[in-house]
Amino acid sequence: NAGVTQTPKFQVLKTGQSMTLQCAQDMNHNSMYWYRQDPGMGLRLIYYSASEGTTDKGEVPNGYNVSRLNKREFSLRLESAAPSQTSVYFCASSPGGNEQFFGPGTRLTVL
Amino acid sequence: GENVEQHPSTLSVQEGDSAVIKCTYSDSASNYFPWYKQELGKRPQLIIDIRSNVGEKKDQRIAVTLNKTAKHFSLHITETQPEDSAVYFCAAPEGSSYKLIFGSGTRLLVRP
Repeated sequence: NAGVTQTPKFQVLKTGQSMTLQCAQDMNHNSMYWYRQDPGMGLRLIYYSASEGTTDKGEVPNGYNVSRLNKREFSLRLESAAPSQTSVYFCASSPGGNEQFFGPGTRLTVL
Repeated sequence: GENVEQHPSTLSVQEGDSAVIKCTYSDSASNYFPWYKQELGKRPQLIIDIRSNVGEKKDQRIAVTLNKTAKHFSLHITETQPEDSAVYFCAAPEGSSYKLIFGSGTRLLVRP
């Protein structure tokens, strides 16, 4: 089992460009999450999907959109990237309300 | 919504000593309290968790205690080793939802 995978590992964007971060899990988990991690600020929830077909806002949703494509995949889109979105992005999955399993992260820099 | 505060932000201990990290939460409906360890450049990984129906849980050198009345929970690491050096995060759910709110992290350094 690969667990939770994320692509790409690294990305550099210019202000105003768009991109989609991909996440997939092979553990048959119902819930999936997107977090951002900035230095000294811990993990902040952007969006989550409690089950296939549902998505909800987290603590910091502005500037992002998500799609729960199917049970395995949960993507995060930046429509018009800004320097404030420079961060490390983690995807996670959970069987539902319990332990969350994290992906390896995507390091995004917006110039 | 839930608010989770974590202290201290940094902690330096001598190898073999104990380390204690504390968190407080605000939502009295929260019922699940995990602790994650994140090594430099790696992903967060769960090391121990506790549910609201117990007051303490141990796993070898690691223990977590929960005081629901005071709304705080703590991570205890005994006989610390250099490989315990990492950033530790506590978390609590917003009510009974699936949203986990994380503390700001504690950077633990174990000096050989």
